[in-house]
Amino acid sequence: DQQVKQNSPSLSVQEGRISILNCDYTNSMFDYFLWYKKYPAEGPTFLISISSIKDKNEDGRFTVFLNKSAKHLSLHIVPSQPGDSAVYFCAVKKFPTLTGKLIFGQGTTLQVKP
Amino acid sequence: GAGVSQSPSNKVTEKGKDVELRCDPISGHTALYWYRQSLGQGLEFLIYFQGNSAPDKSGLPSDRFSAERTGGSVSTLTIQRTQQEDSAVYLCASSSPGRGVTDTQYFGPGTRLTVL
Repeated sequence: DQQVKQNSPSLSVQEGRISILNCDYTNSMFDYFLWYKKYPAEGPTFLISISSIKDKNEDGRFTVFLNKSAKHLSLHIVPSQPGDSAVYFCAVKKFPTLTGKLIFGQGTTLQVKP
Repeated sequence: GAGVSQSPSNKVTEKGKDVELRCDPISGHTALYWYRQSLGQGLEFLIYFQGNSAPDKSGLPSDRFSAERTGGSVSTLTIQRTQQEDSAVYLCASSSPGRGVTDTQYFGPGTRLTVL
């Protein structure tokens, strides 16, 4: 059973437009949500996070929205740039877990076309 | 400063052989994690070390998998009698102590394991 789902395997957008990546989760006990970006042959790098007490967190061109009632989060990238082309993973943590392990979605490959 | 490093970057082995994968975490990070990513899948948690506490081994898929962390630093993931389904990218991450739920995990580049 997949606790974190990214239903779109891929997304293609034009440079300068908005990219919206989506993620759904099943467990209402999850209370911390993260997005990681991964380039080929590299490890994932942390991008942005949000705790369950908020519904929005913004960092430059990146904004994460959390809809707890729908168990849904999304990552908005505005404006999209070709360098944003990568695989994006959402991940969740459950508090107050004694372990910091992350539960990841399957990833969405974003292609930003010049 | 140096990030998380892993070796080897690629490993090709024959079914039934044992393999060892190494992870050097960021200096000072007491938490260390192993994940793996199979083709077309997300990252799957394997094992977690935090300081001197007993490791969380809940993600290890079988008793062929084991890991140790020596001196609170370097970690080795061992897979015995490898099977083709073990083929994946094995990723190591480390994080700073004492930050609870908000600690950021920093990942290494991974080891791509191919079992023929």
